[in-house]
Amino acid sequence: SYELTQPPSVSVSPGQAAKITCSGDALPKKYAYWYQRKSGQAPVLVIYEDSRRPSGIPERFSGSSSGTMATLTISGAQVEDEADYYCYSTDSSGNHRVFGGGTKLTVL
Amino acid sequence: EVQLLDSGGDLVQPGGSLRLSCAASGFTFSSYAMTWVRQAPGKGLEWVSVISGSGGSADYADSVKGRFTISRDNSKNTLYLHMNSLRAEDTAVYYCAKDQIMGIAADYNWLDPWGQGTLVTVSS
Repeated sequence: SYELTQPPSVSVSPGQAAKITCSGDALPKKYAYWYQRKSGQAPVLVIYEDSRRPSGIPERFSGSSSGTMATLTISGAQVEDEADYYCYSTDSSGNHRVFGGGTKLTVL
Repeated sequence: EVQLLDSGGDLVQPGGSLRLSCAASGFTFSSYAMTWVRQAPGKGLEWVSVISGSGGSADYADSVKGRFTISRDNSKNTLYLHMNSLRAEDTAVYYCAKDQIMGIAADYNWLDPWGQGTLVTVSS
């Protein structure tokens, strides 16, 4: 079955850039989406179609994709950005949806 | 404003059944597919099932196929997940989420927004 691979954790100091990667064989042809899930809250879409930012999401959140890797970047991470981040995409057939394993971002 | 309100989670014994509901408002419910996603304790997000806007098409994760049934009542703007033969590994917070298209195609489609989640615990 298709898998998206993320690092389990990323840690940065406030104001530093945080980069979270997501690798998958189908990513060269399929969009990646990114969700933020804070403790006790529902997931929130922060990036769609690799690099587009929904309204209401701070500009410090950006996305990119190159080859088999998509990257979520938080420029100048804030303490309030501490959360679990999940990438989401489909396999090469476009029929099967999959989430990455999630990355715990610590900002301290 | 689009709002999704999940409900129906409970403690149920292994082998038991449960029905989850998701009440939607703020958009034309029948024009969009809807999805269920779950998160087991200490685990990541797992896609569970999707149903088209008309209710005529659906798809399931292999882990729940044959045990769970997704349905919707467009007259009540409500999505359901009927869960049978529940196992301990089905213990999770279940979220409903709105797709961006009417059909169940996965391409060029994402989930936004999500409900707040409802907890299902399968234990004796």
